[in-house]
Amino acid sequence: GDSVTQMEGPVTLSEEAFLTINCTYTATGYPSLFWYVQYPGEGLQLLLKATKADDKGSNKGFEATYRKETTSFHLEKGSVQVSDSAVYFCALSDVPQGAQKLVFGQGTRLTINP
Amino acid sequence: NAGVTQTPKFQVLKTGQSMTLQCAQDMNHEYMSWYRQDPGMGLRLIHYSVGAGITDQGEVPNGYNVSRSTTEDFPLRLLSAAPSQTSVYFCASSPVDLSSYEQYFGPGTRLTVT
Repeated sequence: GDSVTQMEGPVTLSEEAFLTINCTYTATGYPSLFWYVQYPGEGLQLLLKATKADDKGSNKGFEATYRKETTSFHLEKGSVQVSDSAVYFCALSDVPQGAQKLVFGQGTRLTINP
Repeated sequence: NAGVTQTPKFQVLKTGQSMTLQCAQDMNHEYMSWYRQDPGMGLRLIHYSVGAGITDQGEVPNGYNVSRSTTEDFPLRLLSAAPSQTSVYFCASSPVDLSSYEQYFGPGTRLTVT
């Protein structure tokens, strides 16, 4: 079945550092790919998405590119802030043109120190 | 517009007890789902529904029942709680139409079974 693998956490960085969180996936079809973020004590929020190969999703300074050849969707940000501290989840959906029945990675806890 | 609401926020049960986790949304979304979040495992799909009267199993349905009598509500029932069901439970909703790529998550219910 479909699966998502994220880099092991937790990740601790200093403010203004460059961030990469690796995500690779296994799917039989052509899934849509997502990054969700969970702030302390809250539910998940969609951070960005890409629905086909070579699409780049972006939001709040975060970016991720759908790489079909390497089955990857790595999350990057050029300069992180303390407010970016959260748990980040990579996810996929193989529902055609949809986001239902999400398959999640294990999550990466990110802590940014001032 | 309250979005997706879940009650209770916290619950402690003894092994063998039953309870219902409530989920409601006021966005007229057809699709609703339940996930459980366990450390190191991300979120896993328990049950989902594409509309009133229609439910189906996700990845980890054993020990849980659902029903969907209205568009707004999607309760999750534990008939005989087990310690393995200790987890954080999230409800999510989204439109079914092909233009929607975002699921909206509730704040979660933290359940402990002793």
